Amino acid sequence: GAGVSQSPRYKVAKRGQDVALRCDPISGHVSLFWYQQALGQGPEFLTYFQNEAQLDKSGLPSDRFFAERPEGSVSTLKIQRTQQEDSAVYLCASSLGPVLGNQPQHFGDGTRLSIL
Amino acid sequence: ILNVEQSPQSLHVQEGDSTNFTCSFPSSNFYALHWYRWETAKSPEALFVMTLNGDEKKKGRISATLNTKEGYSYLYIKGSQPEDSATYLCASRYNNNDMRFGAGTRLTVKP
Repeated sequence: GAGVSQSPRYKVAKRGQDVALRCDPISGHVSLFWYQQALGQGPEFLTYFQNEAQLDKSGLPSDRFFAERPEGSVSTLKIQRTQQEDSAVYLCASSLGPVLGNQPQHFGDGTRLSIL
Repeated sequence: ILNVEQSPQSLHVQEGDSTNFTCSFPSSNFYALHWYRWETAKSPEALFVMTLNGDEKKKGRISATLNTKEGYSYLYIKGSQPEDSATYLCASRYNNNDMRFGAGTRLTVKP
């Protein structure tokens, strides 16, 4: 498809398990963003990439969170030793230009993560 | 950087009513203001990106204004229709690449 694709749509994991969330941005989009959205709140920034370079990871809540985009296209957000507070919707977005451009971000449908 | 605030949190209007809601944001080091429309079970859809003080953008029955000096943006919907029902999110971007989202205004338009 032409949009941002995220998988899986839903993920249930037991506390302590590792999870990996995938984002396929729109082809050719330079910038890629990850957000965490808790119930009833707006998205909170986690990290962004410009091509394969992770330019800002200041929003990652702990060192259990790790993101990569090794070839400048697909990105993976990994959460190690999951905790219940990690339960949220994880949104990925991409935009055509560099991060400080004023193009809009195009969002995927998100991955809803539930930690039991 | 302080939070982005949106008001009201939710809004119910009748079909045909015009409505507006507010996004307030810290104005220091401001770079751009984004509005998104987010329908349930779908991904956010970009509506507008505004950068200049006094900017006004329009898309069909929806328009938005921007005041960067006082740190607010208004979104207006003229003649609301049931298909306008969604959450409207604003996000402000800053010169240090920081981007902050509001919690959204949930609009319900009753036929």
